[in-house]
This record gives sequence, C-alpha cells and structure tokens, in this order.
Amino acid sequence: DPKIIQKPKYLVAVTGSEKILICEQYLGHNAMYWYRQSAKKPLEFMFSYSYQKLMDNQTASSRFQPQSSKKNHLDLQITALKPDDSATYFCASSQDWDREQYFGPGTRLTVL
Amino acid sequence: GDSVTQTEGQVTVSESKSLIINCTYSATSIGYPNLFWYVRYPGEGLQLLLKVITAGQKGSSRGFEATYNKEATSFHLQKASVQESDSAVYYCALSESTNTGKLTFGDGTVLTVKP
Repeated sequence: DPKIIQKPKYLVAVTGSEKILICEQYLGHNAMYWYRQSAKKPLEFMFSYSYQKLMDNQTASSRFQPQSSKKNHLDLQITALKPDDSATYFCASSQDWDREQYFGPGTRLTVL
Repeated sequence: GDSVTQTEGQVTVSESKSLIINCTYSATSIGYPNLFWYVRYPGEGLQLLLKVITAGQKGSSRGFEATYNKEATSFHLQKASVQESDSAVYYCALSESTNTGKLTFGDGTVLTVKP
C-alpha cells in the first residue's frame, strides 16, 4: 500500500485559476515537505512543516500556500496559476526534520 | 546558497563494468552538511539510496558506495560492477545542519546499463 498519497496524479489548469494539490502520509511522520521539479531543472525545495508548523519557506511567491489540516496532511494551494508553474510537485515526509525523507509519486501540473 | 553539481547528465555503462557518478557540493553553513544519494527507478518514486552525515565516512547500499570528502567537497557514487537493474536516475543531495529539513538536489544523472 502506498504510504504517501498525492492526488491527483495529473492536473491540467488554465492560466489564472486556482488548484489544490493533496498530500497525505501514513508513515506516522512529524515533518512534511513540498518540492517542485520543472522541466530540465533539479528538484527544488518549497516548504517544510514540522508538527504542523511552518519551518522553512523557500518560495518567492505568496501564490503558493501550504495547508495542514491534520498532522499527516500537507496540501498545497496555488492561486493565479501561470504557465511557469507547470512542473511535477512532490510531497515528502520524515520522522523528524533531520531524518530520512520519503517521497510521494508526485502530481504533474500543466498550466495552459 | 547551497548547490550540488552533477557533471554527467547521462551515463551509459555495460553490465558488470564499474561506475562512477560525480557529485560536488557547496554549502553555506559553518558546519558540514549531510550528504545523500537518491534514486528513481523507472516507474517508481524517489527513494534514498545512501546517506553520510560525518565528513570522512563512507556510506554503502545495494553495492553502491560514496565517501564524504570534505577537502574536495565531493561525494561521488561508485559501484564496482553494475547490473541492468541499476538503470535509473541518481540524484546527489545535501542538507544543512539547520532545523528545516531542506534538501538541495543536483540535476540528476540518468544511468543506462547495457546488457
């Protein structure tokens, strides 16, 4: 059974719209993360949360907002979508911030 | 900021031959970073291959080895004899000693092992 669930697997959106990417982990971890990988670019850290509190935010834009309704959830809301937001978004989790990170399968977002 | 450089975007090796994938890093903090190799096999998610958190130490997993060389700021991945099942994308990464868990990744190296 998958331990980190990301939904949806694929997502197509129009410019200017808003989408929420879902991430749930069933590993009992206390820390969760979002990363992004655009075409021909390395995986890029976006956010880290520990015990549902924001630890680090490396995104330059406030259009990206993580939402943690439960300890094992960390959704990513993206508003006013732009074509440059097209990427695969990966959720990850770890027991604590300094432990091994486990990655989800990713959500591939395409903004037209 | 931190950076990780993998010089080879693609590597092709014949089965049973040796492999080295180069990784160098630059870290901004005063202390030494933690170093990782992650791997993504075809059709699978990203997973940790090995990690080393102490300078001078060697990590190993599944026949792969990497030594943390703080003088050269390198963390090259090696294997003495590759198998076709090793074909995958390999990512070098680092994390600082700050308490945020942020991983900084290299561009990745696509390894193709020919039978």
